[in-house]
Amino acid sequence: EIVLTQSPATLSLSPGERATLSCRASQTVSSYLAWYQQKPGQAPRLLIYDASNRATGIPARFSGSGSGTDFTLTISSLEPDDFAVYYCQQRINWPMCSFGQGTKLEIK
Amino acid sequence: QVQLQESGPGLVKPSETLSLTCSVSGGSITNNFWSWIRQPPGKGLEWIGYVYYSGSTNYNPSLKSRVVISIDTSKNQFSLKLISVTAADTAVYYCARDYGAFCDNSGCHGGRFDPWGQGTLVTVSS
Repeated sequence: EIVLTQSPATLSLSPGERATLSCRASQTVSSYLAWYQQKPGQAPRLLIYDASNRATGIPARFSGSGSGTDFTLTISSLEPDDFAVYYCQQRINWPMCSFGQGTKLEIK
Repeated sequence: QVQLQESGPGLVKPSETLSLTCSVSGGSITNNFWSWIRQPPGKGLEWIGYVYYSGSTNYNPSLKSRVVISIDTSKNQFSLKLISVTAADTAVYYCARDYGAFCDNSGCHGGRFDPWGQGTLVTVSS
């Protein structure tokens, strides 16, 4: 089983700042990595797929990068609506998949 | 656009069967894969399995012995059954469209979940 480790567990930033979230895989997942945003009481929402492709309707301030085992989700300038939990998800061997444990992005 | 809605009992007794249905609107259930994913309270996400519109399925090995996912294309619905539940099965259960995967000589890769249903909390308790 491929384990995804997200860091940090909690990130405290202010609106307008840049957020950098990390996801590391226990073995290569090539570029088959997605990022989701989840707000309290809501379902996850797809942000990024295949490591760097923004999903439909996702603002340009969200970007993804990386390949192999190390991936990054960057939010260039935080909006108040961006404070949430973020999960990474890999699918190198479809349909099996695993999710990271999440990074909570909170207002400083 | 495609929307999904889960329905089913919110409380199930230990050792009984959890049954949920996902209704798909705004698009056809055909030519797509459809997955169930769950999230225990305060914890992370776990993929349960998928069903294809043809009826073929694939399950997470950790749940395979207890899970059945089926589809009714005439109703634009697919369903989840989880047998012999315990308190560890208490979770918010989500349905989602599962798409974007492709297959090559080395196997099948990729795929993401989008959109998701709003989720339904199922509590296992006597």
